[in-house]
Amino acid sequence: RKEVEQDPGPFNVPEGATVAFNCTYSNSASQSFFWYRQDCRKEPKLLMSVYSSGNEDGRFTAQLNRASQYISLLIRDSKLSDSATYLCVVKRNQGGKLIFGQGTELSVKP
Amino acid sequence: DTAVSQTPKYLVTQMGNDKSIKCEQNLGHDTMYWYKQDSKKFLKIMFSYNNKELIINETVPNRFSPKSPDKAHLNLHINSLELGDSAVYFCASSKGLAGGTDTQYFGPGTRLTVL
Repeated sequence: RKEVEQDPGPFNVPEGATVAFNCTYSNSASQSFFWYRQDCRKEPKLLMSVYSSGNEDGRFTAQLNRASQYISLLIRDSKLSDSATYLCVVKRNQGGKLIFGQGTELSVKP
Repeated sequence: DTAVSQTPKYLVTQMGNDKSIKCEQNLGHDTMYWYKQDSKKFLKIMFSYNNKELIINETVPNRFSPKSPDKAHLNLHINSLELGDSAVYFCASSKGLAGGTDTQYFGPGTRLTVL
């Protein structure tokens, strides 16, 4: 079993839709949580960190449930430019190692 | 003003050859990393260095040898290349090791194809 699991998708949604991505992690020693975005043939870029209290950045909302070891990302009012692969990432503070999920592909259509 | 740069961007080579990929960061960060993204798009850490000291060494064949001449550079040398080494290799850097939300910045990647 992979340490970080995501639904690989693809998710095909129309512009303006709300889409939710889920992620689970297996190592309770994980300390920090992130969503990264990766465009086709490009490097991953940090989208947002995820905090226990939940956090929002514009159209993006991230939630963390430590008890269930579950992370989510909600995208409201999807734009064509949101099309990308979304990577769920956990980190154990020791060594700074990032552990990536396999990514969820999102395609937003006109 | 590129933050993390890698050369070359593309590398096509024959099995059995030895090749190097270079990485440089101008962010003043102390920690640098190498990740491998395979054909299934799965990103996995290989190595990390903090102030030129090896911190993380995942289960990577010893044909892969990282070298950090200074904290702004982390190069990856690969001996006796195999078909399975074909992947995209990403360099990354961060300010430190700990600090929960310390962001890692990735380079543009080097696409290695072994024929």
